Amino acid sequence: SQKIEQNSEALNIQEGKTATLTCNYTNYSPAYLQWYRQDPGRGPVFLLLIRENEKEKRKERLKVTFDTTLKQSLFHITASQPADSATYLCALNNNNDMRFGAGTRLTVKP
Amino acid sequence: DAMVIQNPRYQVTQFGKPVTLSCSQTLNHNVMYWYQQKSSQAPKLLFHYYDKDFNNEADTPDNFQSRRPNTSFCFLDIRSPGLGDAAMYLCATSRVSRRETQYFGPGTRLLVL
Repeated sequence: SQKIEQNSEALNIQEGKTATLTCNYTNYSPAYLQWYRQDPGRGPVFLLLIRENEKEKRKERLKVTFDTTLKQSLFHITASQPADSATYLCALNNNNDMRFGAGTRLTVKP
Repeated sequence: DAMVIQNPRYQVTQFGKPVTLSCSQTLNHNVMYWYQQKSSQAPKLLFHYYDKDFNNEADTPDNFQSRRPNTSFCFLDIRSPGLGDAAMYLCATSRVSRRETQYFGPGTRLLVL
């Protein structure tokens, strides 16, 4: 069956460090992958999209990589700030649908 | 600002008492979705509309129904809420297809007593 796994339920890091979140998938062939941010009690907000033929995408302090051989995407936040604390969801798209992972809750401590 | 609006933000209902959640959008997007999300879980797609074409997920219980009277509005009806239906309900839109970025509303937190 199709599975999307995000590395850990929670990740705690110190302000200023780089946060790295992992999204692994099995039995799925995504055409592209998206990352969303979700704050408590709110809906997810789109951050970045990366296509299967792209290795890396950047937006300000955010960087996403996509390795279709490893079936993995990495999401990096550099120079992390307490305001980056949230749950980050990966979402995989193929030609028919989009499926979300359960998310990783990131806490950035001052 | 163009956006997705959900009302109410919090809804309390009694076991077995029908409840309706509403969603409106000013983005003029063709596709609208309803998701159920429980704590620490992925959003689970219940159904979606391409314009007025309704598409039900295979594992969505019959207890959940939906209406989309026009492009801007979409409703989620829970005919007989059970305790297991307590969750956050998220409405989302995308411009023309399911393959695109989705824009979410703030969600409605449903509590079943």
